[in-house]
Amino acid sequence: GENVEQHPSTLSVQEGDSAVIKCTYSDSASNYFPWYKQELGKRPQLIIDIRSNVGEKKDQRIAVTLNKTAKHFSLHITETQPEDSAVYFCAASMSGTASKLTFGTGTRLQVTL
Amino acid sequence: DAGVTQSPTHLIKTRGQHVTLRCSPISGHKSVSWYQQVLGQGPQFIFQYYEKEERGRGNFPDRFSARQFPNYSSELNVNALLLGDSALYLCASSVRAGIQYFGAGTRLSVL
Repeated sequence: GENVEQHPSTLSVQEGDSAVIKCTYSDSASNYFPWYKQELGKRPQLIIDIRSNVGEKKDQRIAVTLNKTAKHFSLHITETQPEDSAVYFCAASMSGTASKLTFGTGTRLQVTL
Repeated sequence: DAGVTQSPTHLIKTRGQHVTLRCSPISGHKSVSWYQQVLGQGPQFIFQYYEKEERGRGNFPDRFSARQFPNYSSELNVNALLLGDSALYLCASSVRAGIQYFGAGTRLSVL
C-alpha cells in the first residue's frame, strides 16, 4: 500500500520568514496530493491540493510543488504569520479512490514573533 | 450550509464495551470516509462508503464496522474496545471521489 513520509516533524520560524514542509510517497499510481492544516482541537482543513498533471500550484501565500519522478511534493508558506501556527499534514491518494487518503505524520509549525 | 457533523463530541468507555459514532455529511455529498487519528499521528483510513456500499477498507480488525444510510449519514461501530482504540475518530464527506471535508471528530477514551 501507499506510504507517505513527512519532514520535518517540527518547524519553528520567525514571523515573515518562509516555511517549507516536504513529503515523499511510495506508490507511483498516486495522483492526488492534498495538504491539511489542523489547529489544536479542531478539524483538519484543506488548504491546497495538487494533481499529478500539474507541477506547481499557488494560492496567495501558499504553494505546493510536485515532482512525480522523485515522488515527492512540498508545501511552501511565505510571509508566515502567527495564525499559520498549526499542524500540517500531507496526504496522497489514487484517482478514483480519492477518498482513501494516506496521510503523513504531520509537521508542527510554530511561527514566533 | 452546515459542514460535516459528528456526534458525540466526546465519549468515555471501558475495555470490552462497544461504541457507535455518527456522522452527517455535507448536503449533496454521497461519500463518507472514516479515519482514526491517534494523538501525535496523521489520520489513518478505516472505511469509505459511497451510495450505501463499502468502497474501501483500511487495515483495521473486524471489530470495526460501518454502514451508510439512505440519507447518506453514516455510523462507525467498534466492538470489544481496547485501550489502543482511544483516539480521535474523524468523518469526512465528499462528492464521490472529490475533495474531502472533515468533521470535528469524536474523541474516544477507553479506560
